[in-house]
Amino acid sequence: AQSVTQPDIHITVSEGASLELRCNYSYGATPYLFWYVQSPGQGLQLLLKYFSGDTLVQGIKGFEAEFKRSQSSFNLRKPSVHWSDAAEYFCAVGALGTGNQFYFGTGTSLTVIP
Amino acid sequence: KAGVTQTPRYLIKTRGQQVTLSCSPISGHRSVSWYQQTPGQGLQFLFEYFSETQRNKGNFPGRFSGRQFSNSRSEMNVSTLELGDSALYLCASSLDGGAHNEQFFGPGTRLTVL
Repeated sequence: AQSVTQPDIHITVSEGASLELRCNYSYGATPYLFWYVQSPGQGLQLLLKYFSGDTLVQGIKGFEAEFKRSQSSFNLRKPSVHWSDAAEYFCAVGALGTGNQFYFGTGTSLTVIP
Repeated sequence: KAGVTQTPRYLIKTRGQQVTLSCSPISGHRSVSWYQQTPGQGLQFLFEYFSETQRNKGNFPGRFSGRQFSNSRSEMNVSTLELGDSALYLCASSLDGGAHNEQFFGPGTRLTVL
């Protein structure tokens, strides 16, 4: 069965520091992978996605993620965090088949210290 | 282009009541998915509708149901409310479904069951 694990429930970083959020997935084939961000009181916004090809994908707001098949991981990174990056981050895998069937991780809450 | 809208934004109900939530997708989008978001559980997939037909369903009891209209607007109904149904209900639309399509999320409806 498909599943997504985000092992870090909460992360605190200082503004300007680098960031890496972990995501591991379980899926029988090449997955479609996504990272979303949710600010308080808002819906989810897509940061980036991976379907195939180059395993390093660039997204909005300076985020990037690397797909590593051997580790079943899709970690999100940012070289220098801004205070506005404080939010909840969700990793998701899209199941191939008919229609939308996405599996989300439980999220990682990011706090940014000035 | 207007985003995904959900009404109402907030609801307070008591146990045993029923509730209907509404979602208007982005114009031209034919697929609408519903998710339940609770702390610690992340986003749980409820169901997906495409062209007025339920195409995928998550692992929720039959008290949770939905429908989609010819204009792609969707409603979700929860009958015989339980305390555990308190959650943020998110609606997401995409062009035609499929794991490769980006989902656009609405701001959600916050349901509180007393």
